[in-house]
Amino acid sequence: SQELEQSPQSLIVQEGKNLTINCTSSKTLYGLYWYKQKYGEGLIFLMMLQKGGEEKSHEKITAKLDEKKQQSSLHITASQPSHAGIYLCGADTDYGGSQGNLIFGKGTKLSVKP
Amino acid sequence: GAVVSQHPSWVICKSGTSVKIECRSLDFQATTMFWYRQFPKQSLMLMATSNEGSKATYEQGVEKDKFLINHASLTLSTLTVTSAHPEDSSFYICSASLVGTDTQYFGPGTRLTVL
Repeated sequence: SQELEQSPQSLIVQEGKNLTINCTSSKTLYGLYWYKQKYGEGLIFLMMLQKGGEEKSHEKITAKLDEKKQQSSLHITASQPSHAGIYLCGADTDYGGSQGNLIFGKGTKLSVKP
Repeated sequence: GAVVSQHPSWVICKSGTSVKIECRSLDFQATTMFWYRQFPKQSLMLMATSNEGSKATYEQGVEKDKFLINHASLTLSTLTVTSAHPEDSSFYICSASLVGTDTQYFGPGTRLTVL
């Protein structure tokens, strides 16, 4: 079965520093989603990547999907305390996601020190 | 441990009928459960946050009278889609947070098809 592995599991950075979170799949990804979760709250959708080599940005957060479509990275530039939370990658387990079968990584807990 | 189940896994109903979806945390207590929906080729979108013993908090744009949420116990939350219409056809997934932690455990989802 397909699995998503995230690294690192947790991360503490100084405010203003850049950071990268990785999500690696055991199989080809057909749809890769990045979410953010704050404590006690639901997942907030950040970005979706589908094409190999695709890169998307939202404010200071950039996500890429590699050409082989088995790894994605989430990069935060000049981190702020507001970036703190758990970042989760998710993927559809079959092409097109029409069955809605989702898998998730275990999440990366990010803390940003002022 | 930390298993979340959903029932049913798949349901087809006629337009105008109501459908109830159950979300259970099987081996832990969950003070908070979340309900999401996913349309084909799209992301999960948070619908509502359900806290045991209190009213659910709905996200903007989600009709609370159409999507009734009840969280009567620490292990069960239900989502009722009232007067379902074809546009409500979607994949509904719940998640539950272990008391005192911020880890969410996801159910396997429920595929709703409204004819």
